[in-house]
Amino acid sequence: NAGVTQTPKFQVLKTGQSMTLQCAQDMNHEYMSWYRQDPGMGLRLIHYSVGAGITDQGEVPNGYNVSRSTTEDFPLRLLSAAPSQTSVYFCASSYVLKGNEQFFGPGTRLTVL
Amino acid sequence: DAKTTQPPSMDCAEGRAANLPCNHSTISGNEYVYWYRQIHSQGPQYIIHGLKNNETNEMASLIITEDRKSSTLILPHATLRDTAVYYCISMNRDDKIIFGKGTRLHILP
Repeated sequence: NAGVTQTPKFQVLKTGQSMTLQCAQDMNHEYMSWYRQDPGMGLRLIHYSVGAGITDQGEVPNGYNVSRSTTEDFPLRLLSAAPSQTSVYFCASSYVLKGNEQFFGPGTRLTVL
Repeated sequence: DAKTTQPPSMDCAEGRAANLPCNHSTISGNEYVYWYRQIHSQGPQYIIHGLKNNETNEMASLIITEDRKSSTLILPHATLRDTAVYYCISMNRDDKIIFGKGTRLHILP
């Protein structure tokens, strides 16, 4: 199993550009989520999904969209990037939320100029 | 929603047991306590979780007080590779995992 994979590893955007951060998992996990981590801070939940076709907002959803058309993939879209979105983004997945561990991807480092 | 509080940093001598405390005084009966760690900006790594009984695995032990208001993560023989930020997190009723600020553990040679 590849586990949780994220692409790209690094990205630089200009203010106002759009892009999609990719996340995929091959463990047949129902639950997937996106977090951001700013320098010196803990992780904050952006969006999550408990299964294909079901998504919901986390702590800091503004400026981000998600969709979950398949069990494997959970892309995160920035429609109009802002410097405040400069961060490291982590994707995670698990079988069920309670009583199970979450597997995290290696992260995407995003800089918005 | 349960909130967790942890000391911002701790030191531990290499080879000794590292005991990391976490307070979760408002945790409800069906909420779990999870511990993760993050080594040098890598993706967080799951360590252990528990509901009310003490738990042990190959990485660590988790001791939960009888009233469930606090817990302690124990790394029995800390090594330099255990230097990391350790997060104590709890499940709220909306099934959103909220990370605390974590404890930065320094293992001293």
